[in-house]
Amino acid sequence: DAKTTQPNSMESNEEEPVHLPCNHSTISGTDYIHWYRQLPSQGPEYVIHGLTSNVNNRMASLAIAEDRKSSTLILHRATLRDAAVYYCIPNDGAGSYQLTFGKGTKLSVIP
Amino acid sequence: EAGVAQSPRYKIIEKRQSVAFWCNPISGHATLYWYQQILGQGPKLLIQFQNNGVVDDSQLPKDRFSAERLKGVDSTLKIQPAKLEDSAVYLCASSYQQSTDTQYFGPGTRLTVL
Repeated sequence: DAKTTQPNSMESNEEEPVHLPCNHSTISGTDYIHWYRQLPSQGPEYVIHGLTSNVNNRMASLAIAEDRKSSTLILHRATLRDAAVYYCIPNDGAGSYQLTFGKGTKLSVIP
Repeated sequence: EAGVAQSPRYKIIEKRQSVAFWCNPISGHATLYWYQQILGQGPKLLIQFQNNGVVDDSQLPKDRFSAERLKGVDSTLKIQPAKLEDSAVYLCASSYQQSTDTQYFGPGTRLTVL
């Protein structure tokens, strides 16, 4: 599995955009980049995933660097409900699709 | 659509006792996962089932942990005997297929071993 580096914690003001970075320099060509988040006292939930192109959904956007060694999860307008631990997980789409979680980034949202 | 159900939500036991956790995945989901999440860390995969067969149990401490998924639906995870270091949240997740499908997680069972 590709190793990831994420900041331990980040802060954002409510209603401001948030950019959560992830470095995955050992990613292989077939690894998708998945993002999950875990709200307090809940199980993780899927946010978004992509392979090469930038991706958008109702929750967030995913910007993937051209060399695929890093990616950024973008929350366009942070709300208090977005306070969570965010996990960046490269995963081999051709393999067993197991998620290997790191420690993630704890996002705090300030009202 | 109902989510992944887990019970109990909380359990406190003495060391050397046994404990069992139950998981009911989303209807129609073939793949089921059990994770262990120790405080301050990300979840760690313990075992993965495809229908009622084990795909991967390489990280399951088999001397004390066991899991089964009879009939390919519900699953139980058992610890016998429990140790202090087993204190953690045990998460169950399911996905439609084993491929790149999204995993849906239950709320977890918080186990405290005294």
